[in-house]
Amino acid sequence: DAGVIQSPRHEVTEMGQEVTLRCKPISGHDYLFWYRQTMMRGLELLIYFNNNVPIDDSGMPEDRFSAKMPNASFSTLKIQPSEPRDSAVYFCASNPTGVGSREQFFGPGTRLTVL
Amino acid sequence: GENVEQHPSTLSVQEGDSAVIKCTYSDSASNYFPWYKQELGKRPQLIIDIRSNVGEKKDQRIAVTLNKTAKHFSLHITETQPEDSAVYFCAACSNDYKLSFGAGTTVTVRA
Repeated sequence: DAGVIQSPRHEVTEMGQEVTLRCKPISGHDYLFWYRQTMMRGLELLIYFNNNVPIDDSGMPEDRFSAKMPNASFSTLKIQPSEPRDSAVYFCASNPTGVGSREQFFGPGTRLTVL
Repeated sequence: GENVEQHPSTLSVQEGDSAVIKCTYSDSASNYFPWYKQELGKRPQLIIDIRSNVGEKKDQRIAVTLNKTAKHFSLHITETQPEDSAVYFCAACSNDYKLSFGAGTTVTVRA
């Protein structure tokens, strides 16, 4: 398996533009997580899904952020409109279900810069 | 919700010495405690984990201890090597698979 795949790897955009980050979890993993990492706030959980259903979105900073998981192999995180303070590395991670399967596998991340 | 505190924030050790990172958690329902290592510019990767029914776990040069009563757990790295230089994150999780991460410890191993 290729692991968790994220695209794009780098995104530079201007304030006010819409940004869409994409994630393909590991096949067979039932859980998908979106994290944001910054120097100031560390690793923050934004939202997570189980079987394509959002379970907890309490970490989504504000209404400008939205996430979807239309099927088991694809998820998006959208920021509209983007702001400079959204600049961060966004990680997607997936996790299988079952006894002994607690490890979260992280994707390579998307480095977002909002000018 | 769960609150995980991690100390120290930075740690510098001489190659060959040991490194210890400590974490505390607040939610007594937490039962899974992983440690992730993140090298510069890379993704976090699991290095070791422990469940609440175990007090200690070891894997070669790394070990983790858990004290459920005191709600703290620690990572021990022995015989440190330059490739151990990275940021280490502890985390706590209950049955909902949601990880709460500590703020991270930047470990530097001096040659």
